[in-house]
Amino acid sequence: AAGVIQSPRHLIKEKRETATLKCYPIPRHDTVYWYQQGPGQDPQFLISFYEKMQSDKGSIPDRFSAQQFSDYHSELNMSSLELGDSALYFCASSLGSSGTYEQYFGPGTRLTVT
Amino acid sequence: SQQGEEDPQALSIQEGENATMNCSYKTSINNLQWYRQNSGRGLVHLILIRSNEREKHSGRLRVTLDTSKKSSSLLITASRAADTASYFCATDQDSGYALNFGKGTSLLVTP
Repeated sequence: AAGVIQSPRHLIKEKRETATLKCYPIPRHDTVYWYQQGPGQDPQFLISFYEKMQSDKGSIPDRFSAQQFSDYHSELNMSSLELGDSALYFCASSLGSSGTYEQYFGPGTRLTVT
Repeated sequence: SQQGEEDPQALSIQEGENATMNCSYKTSINNLQWYRQNSGRGLVHLILIRSNEREKHSGRLRVTLDTSKKSSSLLITASRAADTASYFCATDQDSGYALNFGKGTSLLVTP
């Protein structure tokens, strides 16, 4: 079965640079979530989208923005990168319109800021 | 995070033994889910238990939920070395579907 696809899988950036992470949800899933997991930490919710509209907002810094496109893929844009942004970034998708709560996670993008 | 602690933080057992992990949370919930994560890899959904359920089984997994104590437990029976991973519980909230994760339990199963 198709899973959530994230690209790139690894990304190395320098401080103050920008980065764009992409997420392709499971086909027919209409809801996308972004999570950040620092080293040795639990995942922290950043932001979510349902039917291309922002549905919930967590601890996403103002330097970050995200959107969901007409084909339901999502992009997380990160600017003015800081060392503390180094983390695993997960995207998850679900079929929100069905009332299904299970979220299916992608393999993650490992971002390293030097 | 709105979650409480998971307990224990680390657990080491031998193959064939059972592993029990506990999770506490702070707010009222719709559902509680358990996820597994191999080192530095993605999160794999294991099981979901709804707030009106008390126990659920899936293969070698047994999950219980006590909403009066705001706690849940995950039991893995007849553990295998391949069960070695970190296990997280996650809850959503009445206000939305975003997940709040616990700190996780690191399970090591030795042959």
